[in-house]
Amino acid sequence: GDSVTQMEGPVTLSEEAFLTINCTYTATGYPSLFWYVQYPGEGLQLLLKATKADDKGSNKGFEATYRKETTSFHLEKGSVQVSDSAVYFCALSDRGRGQKLVFGQGTRLTINP
Amino acid sequence: EAGVAQSPRYKIIEKRQSVAFWCNPISGHATLYWYQQILGQGPKLLIQFQNNGVVDDSQLPKDRFSAERLKGVDSTLKIQPAKLEDSAVYLCASSLGTVDTGELFFGEGSRLTVL
Repeated sequence: GDSVTQMEGPVTLSEEAFLTINCTYTATGYPSLFWYVQYPGEGLQLLLKATKADDKGSNKGFEATYRKETTSFHLEKGSVQVSDSAVYFCALSDRGRGQKLVFGQGTRLTINP
Repeated sequence: EAGVAQSPRYKIIEKRQSVAFWCNPISGHATLYWYQQILGQGPKLLIQFQNNGVVDDSQLPKDRFSAERLKGVDSTLKIQPAKLEDSAVYLCASSLGTVDTGELFFGEGSRLTVL
């Protein structure tokens, strides 16, 4: 079945550091890919998405590119802030199977000032 | 715009007891989901409704879990009897349900502890 594998956490960085969180997927069809974020005390919310190969999703300084050849969707940010501390989830939705989201295990990110 | 509302936020019960969680989705959202998130894991879909019909309940432990969606709006998830391994956060989400974009809107979750 469909699955998502994320980089093991937790990840701790200093403010203004470069961030990469790796995500790879397995899917039988042509999935849409997503990054969701869960800030402390809040519900999951969509951070960015890409619906086809080579698309780049971006939001709040974060970017991720849909790489079909490597089945990856790595999350990057050039300069992280303390407010980026959260848990990040990579997810996929396989077209033709409704909007069922399959999530990775999540990566906890802590940014120190 | 009001978000997805869930209650209760926290619940502690003993094993073999029963519990119910309630969800009110965003107005107009046809699709409603219940996810189970065990500590340290990603959310896992339990059941998906389209209006008041079940689309996917393949991962719902039907011997102890049940869910209904009243008149295609609110939903209730029940666990009876609870087991220790049911300790988790139960997330409700909703979406417009007509476009396969995967943009779900999540509530803050109901945290269940089974002792």
